[in-house]
Amino acid sequence: KQEVTQIPAALSVPEGENLVLNCSFTDSAIYNLQWFRQDPGKGLTSLLLIQSSQREQTSGRLNASLDKSSGRSTLYIAASQPGDSATYLCAVSRSGTYKYIFGTGTRLKVLA
Amino acid sequence: EAQVTQNPRYLITVTGKKLTVTCSQNMNHEYMSWYRQDPGLGLRQIYYSMNVEVTDKGDVPEGYKVSRKEKRNFPLILESPSPNQTSLYFCASSSGVRGSSTDTQYFGPGTRLTVL
Repeated sequence: KQEVTQIPAALSVPEGENLVLNCSFTDSAIYNLQWFRQDPGKGLTSLLLIQSSQREQTSGRLNASLDKSSGRSTLYIAASQPGDSATYLCAVSRSGTYKYIFGTGTRLKVLA
Repeated sequence: EAQVTQNPRYLITVTGKKLTVTCSQNMNHEYMSWYRQDPGLGLRQIYYSMNVEVTDKGDVPEGYKVSRKEKRNFPLILESPSPNQTSLYFCASSSGVRGSSTDTQYFGPGTRLTVL
């Protein structure tokens, strides 16, 4: 059974710091992996989608990598800003199905 | 504007009273899905649909029904709600085209349901 883990559960950093969020999954048979952000009381916003054949994706200050063989993905946020404060979630899509499994998220606070 | 809409946004009901949460998308997406989000458990998939009249169970389908009669709509039905279905519910959609960048999921704003 696929399990997705995100560590740490919470993180607080000063503004301007570069940071890495981690996502681990137990079954490497995935179609893709997505990173989302969720603001309090709001829905999820997609940040990056990495296909199983890709190693990384970049969007602005965000870079996500995928290592299927080790079951890991990282989300790198460069030069963090207070506006980056949110909960970050990763989700994997199982091969052969259209099911999605989410991690429980990392709650990020960037201090001004 | 491309979006997924859900109604109602907030709902308080009593045990056993049938309810429907509507979900609609305007992106001509093939794939639609329902999730529930609970503290400490994260988002869990309830049901999903690959196309009109095609639905399948997610990881927590018990106590829920869905239908996909039109491409844009995917309502979630609780025929006899119970207190353990109190949760925050999200609808999502995507193109469903595997290997494509359009396979990214777009989420609705959420429906907060309380069952007394």
